Amino acid sequence: ETGVTQSPTHLIKTRGQQVTLRCSSQSGHNTVSWYQQALGQGPQFIFQYYREEENGRGNFPPRFSGLQFPNYSSELNVNALELDDSALYLCASSSPSDNEQFFGPGTRLTVL
Amino acid sequence: GEDVEQSLFLSVREGDSSVINCTYTDSSSTYLYWYKQEPGAGLQLLTYIFSNMDMKQDQRLTVLLNKKDKHLSLRIADTQTGDSAIYFCAESILNTGFQKLVFGTGTRLLVSP
Repeated sequence: ETGVTQSPTHLIKTRGQQVTLRCSSQSGHNTVSWYQQALGQGPQFIFQYYREEENGRGNFPPRFSGLQFPNYSSELNVNALELDDSALYLCASSSPSDNEQFFGPGTRLTVL
Repeated sequence: GEDVEQSLFLSVREGDSSVINCTYTDSSSTYLYWYKQEPGAGLQLLTYIFSNMDMKQDQRLTVLLNKKDKHLSLRIADTQTGDSAIYFCAESILNTGFQKLVFGTGTRLLVSP
């Protein structure tokens, strides 16, 4: 059974640029959630995708958007990057019948 | 409201027990979780407890839940240096059509030999 994988592991961008982060869910999981973890903080919920639709969103602006594909992998896109977007971005996969969310290793984004 | 609080730091000696505490505010939480994060890594699920339980034991880990006071604790028996990490408490919030996790700011556990 393959766990949750994310790519890339690290990324450096400049203010105003756009970024795409990728996540492959654990085998058998059709739900992907994205979280942002700023330095020294706990993860904050960005949004969740289920069957290729966004079905829940946290307190993040519209420049944070996502996609889910038929194989349940997912992308997080951030437009017009700001310095405060520098963080570890975590994705977690789960299934609706499951009480557990399994996290990937994260992508560390640095915005200069 | 949705707020989870934890103490920031705990230091213990190898072989001692560690107790990490957490308080949460949302009384509708269905499950409460403990995750471990090592430097530069993602989150590892350690254990979780359903909100109608008082206690759950899993090998060296014991979770206690006081639902009346909205207080959760994680006890690690015979703490080892490999247990040094940041521990996050999280509550599961069920909204219309989806479930999200609300995390505390984490407790850094340092285990000295």
